[in-house]
Amino acid sequence: ETGVTQSPTHLIKTRGQQVTLRCSSQSGHNTVSWYQQALGQGPQFIFQYYREEENGRGNFPPRFSGLQFPNYSSELNVNALELDDSALYLCASSPAALALSGANVLTFGAGSRLTVL
Amino acid sequence: GENVEQHPSTLSVQEGDSAVIKCTYSDSASNYFPWYKQELGKGPQLIIDIRSNVGEKKDQRIAVTLNKTAKHFSLHITETQPEDSAVYFCATLYPGTALIFGKGTTLSVSS
Repeated sequence: ETGVTQSPTHLIKTRGQQVTLRCSSQSGHNTVSWYQQALGQGPQFIFQYYREEENGRGNFPPRFSGLQFPNYSSELNVNALELDDSALYLCASSPAALALSGANVLTFGAGSRLTVL
Repeated sequence: GENVEQHPSTLSVQEGDSAVIKCTYSDSASNYFPWYKQELGKGPQLIIDIRSNVGEKKDQRIAVTLNKTAKHFSLHITETQPEDSAVYFCATLYPGTALIFGKGTTLSVSS
């Protein structure tokens, strides 16, 4: 059973640029959530995808967008990067049945560390 | 919206001692309370969770207690070992939304 894999592991961008982060969910999981973790803070919910549609969103502006593909993998896109976007971006997957029942047991990837200069 | 407060932010113990981390939440509708451990360079890993219809759950050296009336829950680690050193996060699930995390506790276990 493979876990959640994310790419790239590290990247550096400049302010105003755009970035795409990728995530492959754990085998058997078809719900993907994205979290932003600033240094020294807990993960903050960005959005969740289920059946290729956004299924909940946190307090993040529209320049944060995502996609989910038929194989349940997902992308996080951030446009017009700002300095405050520097963070560890975590992808987490969960079995859809658990997600819909209200218990959201998440399996996290190791994250993509984004630095915006 | 839901808010989770976690204390302490740092905790240092000697190997073999117990460690306790406490979290309080604001919304009484929250019904699921997991604890995650994050080691350097890794993503958070679920170590134990408890649902709202249970008051206590134990798994070897780790236990979680839940007081729904007071809206707080705690992680207890007994007989701590150096490999327990990590950042620990509590979280709550408000029905229909995502997990809301605390700010984390950095646990250091010295031998």
